[in-house]
Amino acid sequence: DGGITQSPKYLFRKEGQNVTLSCEQNLNHDAMYWYRQDPGQGLRLIYYSQIVNDFQKGDIAEGYSVSREKKESFPLTVTSAQKNPTAFYLCASSPVGLSSYNEQFFGPGTRLTVL
Amino acid sequence: RKEVEQDPGPFNVPEGATVAFNCTYSNSASQSFFWYRQDCRKEPKLLMSVYSSGNEDGRFTAQLNRASQYISLLIRDSKLSDSATYLCVARGAYGGSQGNLIFGKGTKLSVKP
Repeated sequence: DGGITQSPKYLFRKEGQNVTLSCEQNLNHDAMYWYRQDPGQGLRLIYYSQIVNDFQKGDIAEGYSVSREKKESFPLTVTSAQKNPTAFYLCASSPVGLSSYNEQFFGPGTRLTVL
Repeated sequence: RKEVEQDPGPFNVPEGATVAFNCTYSNSASQSFFWYRQDCRKEPKLLMSVYSSGNEDGRFTAQLNRASQYISLLIRDSKLSDSATYLCVARGAYGGSQGNLIFGKGTKLSVKP
């Protein structure tokens, strides 16, 4: 089955620790995205990548880092510099092409809690 | 500045009712639009892309009004399983950061027996 997987589903972190969230897709999509969702809030874009070995900051990139060494994988590191990291993190992917639709498809998410 | 704005609800409707959600967007350059459905503590799932001529998928109808910059979603014959939060999404012109999606905060729907 094609899809997007994220792991772990739940993650607990102590203050001051870095943590890496995994995102893998086998949809052959070129573009991948990381969002953060807080209760009662819309999704906010952290980072995105439209091609391997290239990525761009989104609206709230401070305190986060990413890499895109393979088309299938786009891990997100939440660093200790992120002041309020407790949130629901969603990874998405989409094809890139001339069509303006290029719908994004989401993984199941990782719920991060800082203790 | 709210780029995509929705009534948060909740909309509480009985089974079988027709319910409509509206959403406004501020960027007139937005090129495409979507409705996503999100269940509690789950990821958003694409419900419909919104075409300029409007489109229908079973009980769901989406309309776009570019002049007034709003998108609507109509759900007919509501089912209990329609209970969820509906996210309105706008996308800028293709390419670069302008092509990224802007999400509304969602409208919560609760369908009662």
